[in-house]
Amino acid sequence: DQQVKQNSPSLSVQEGRISILNCDYTNSMFDYFLWYKKYPAEGPTFLISISSIKDKNEDGRFTVFLNKSAKHLSLHIVPSQPGDSAVYFCAASQGNYGQNFVFGPGTRLSVLP
Amino acid sequence: KAGVTQTPRYLIKTRGQQVTLSCSPISGHRSVSWYQQTPGQGLQFLFEYFSETQRNKGNFPGRFSGRQFSNSRSEMNVSTLELGDSALYLCASTLGTGGLGYTFGSGTRLTVV
Repeated sequence: DQQVKQNSPSLSVQEGRISILNCDYTNSMFDYFLWYKKYPAEGPTFLISISSIKDKNEDGRFTVFLNKSAKHLSLHIVPSQPGDSAVYFCAASQGNYGQNFVFGPGTRLSVLP
Repeated sequence: KAGVTQTPRYLIKTRGQQVTLSCSPISGHRSVSWYQQTPGQGLQFLFEYFSETQRNKGNFPGRFSGRQFSNSRSEMNVSTLELGDSALYLCASTLGTGGLGYTFGSGTRLTVV
């Protein structure tokens, strides 16, 4: 049973438009969430995080929204650029000690020029 | 500073053999975690080592084991390989004492034939 779900395996967006990647979780004990980006033949790289005491965190073109009651978070990329084309993983944990994160299956984002 | 280094990058083994993968964390990082990535399953947590001790363990069979040395370098061993063990194995290191800093290596692609 997946505790972290990313129900869209892939997403295509036009350059300059908004990309919205969604993530749902089932474990109400999760209180720390991260997004990672992964290019082919490279390891995932950290993108942005949010703790459960917030409902929004912004970093440049990237914003993560957290809806605790719905156990849902989303990553918004505005404006989308071709270099954003990658697989995006949502991850969750209890606490932010950096170990034992539970990852979702990933969403492949393609930004079309 | 050097990133997380995983060796080898690619490996082909036959069923029944055993394999050892190596991970050198970022200098100063004391926590090393291992993940298995397969298509559609995302990143599955294997185990985490901190100061030479296994601190967390995922739901993998006992054929998967690991260890950490005094210099924080870690090895992962898989015995009696099965076809289903074919995957990308990722190592990630952190300081291990809280906060972000979860840095992944590029992974070892293991193919079992």
